Amino acid sequence: GEDVEQSLFLSVREGDSSVINCTYTDSSSTYLYWYKQEPGAGLQLLTYIFSNMDMKQDQRLTVLLNKKDKHLSLRIADTQTGDSAIYFCAEYKDSNYQLIWGAGTKLIIKP
Amino acid sequence: EAGVAQSPRYKIIEKRQSVAFWCNPISGHATLYWYQQILGQGPKLLIQFQNNGVVDDSQLPKDRFSAERLKGVDSTLKIQPAKLEDSAVYLCASSLGGIQETQYFGPGTRLLVL
Repeated sequence: GEDVEQSLFLSVREGDSSVINCTYTDSSSTYLYWYKQEPGAGLQLLTYIFSNMDMKQDQRLTVLLNKKDKHLSLRIADTQTGDSAIYFCAEYKDSNYQLIWGAGTKLIIKP
Repeated sequence: EAGVAQSPRYKIIEKRQSVAFWCNPISGHATLYWYQQILGQGPKLLIQFQNNGVVDDSQLPKDRFSAERLKGVDSTLKIQPAKLEDSAVYLCASSLGGIQETQYFGPGTRLLVL
């Protein structure tokens, strides 16, 4: 189908790791993105991965890409209260030069 | 480096009224995007400009929405007349040049139509 799918909510304890999952639609997508949206704010680019990579690490963030299953994940190590936000997965579709967005996963941090 | 600027941040209007939003992209960014984000959903692309030309406006409701980027820098998005279902956050983004370039977003304009 045309939809990028994400779970709507994820709840984790402060200090634990958060893993946010996403399935996308087009195995030929060249770029896959993770954006963060805090309440009342715009979308902040967190990280992206090029399709010829399996993994990308940037400080507390680890992105894993499984092209065979069209599955993308974002792991946040040592989750902090400041990580509370909605996380959006987006795929770049070469066929129409557009970003296709998931509905976002709301990350809830428990003390 | 200054980010993408948008104004106003909030707007409340009654249905059938008109409203306009303004966006100033990051300096030097050739590509500008307008998105509509309804509560609980991801952004939906309305229109994409490359300099002052339209690349894609296939999802823009052209009977009521219009957008322009006359000098290839700032852009305005207008809704006339507004409907209740237009209540959303309108996001502007820009990217450096090529269509695959990473997009950087402004804070958005939150529109409420009563």
